[in-house]
Amino acid sequence: KAGVTQTPRYLIKTRGQQVTLSCSPISGHRSVSWYQQTPGQGLQFLFEYFSETQRNKGNFPGRFSGRQFSNSRSEMNVSTLELGDSALYLCASSLNTIGTGELFFGEGSRLTVL
Amino acid sequence: EDKVVQSPLSLVVHEGDTVTLNCSYEVTNFRSLLWYKQEKKAPTFLFMLTSSGIEKKSGRLSSILDKKELFSILNITATQTGDSAIYLCAVPLEYGNKLVFGAGTILRVKS
Repeated sequence: KAGVTQTPRYLIKTRGQQVTLSCSPISGHRSVSWYQQTPGQGLQFLFEYFSETQRNKGNFPGRFSGRQFSNSRSEMNVSTLELGDSALYLCASSLNTIGTGELFFGEGSRLTVL
Repeated sequence: EDKVVQSPLSLVVHEGDTVTLNCSYEVTNFRSLLWYKQEKKAPTFLFMLTSSGIEKKSGRLSSILDKKELFSILNITATQTGDSAIYLCAVPLEYGNKLVFGAGTILRVKS
């Protein structure tokens, strides 16, 4: 059974640009969550999608957005990139519909903003 | 404010040692507490705890929850170099899979 797949794995952008990251969940998983991981702040929740609807949202500015498609694949977008957006962006999927917190993480997308 | 605090932040031990990692939490509407291991990129699930006093065990790893004192511990016995990783504790908030994570404990096992 294939795991959570994230693309691209690495990318470099400059300030002011935008970026789109993609996540394919484990087959049958309808919940997809996104997390930002930095050395200073650790793992922080961005948002969760379930059946194409945003179910939860973290405390990030509106420059961070996401969506989920009918096949459960998800994308997140960051517009007007800032240096502080440099991070590992992790996607996680879950089978449990009500949410127990047991997540399966992808390898992440490493974003560097110059 | 919901928060999860882990201690110690880092730990260096020798192979064969036993380690205990700590996780305390303050959240409303507690549902469960989870432990993850992060070696390189992707955190991998270890345990989910929902009831006090019931130990979860997997090989040399075990974990227990105390809902009265609001903490959990993760024990690793007979440590091996392959146990070197960041161990993360997390608690889900609200409805769904919104997790708040602790800062993690960096464990290094020396041969």
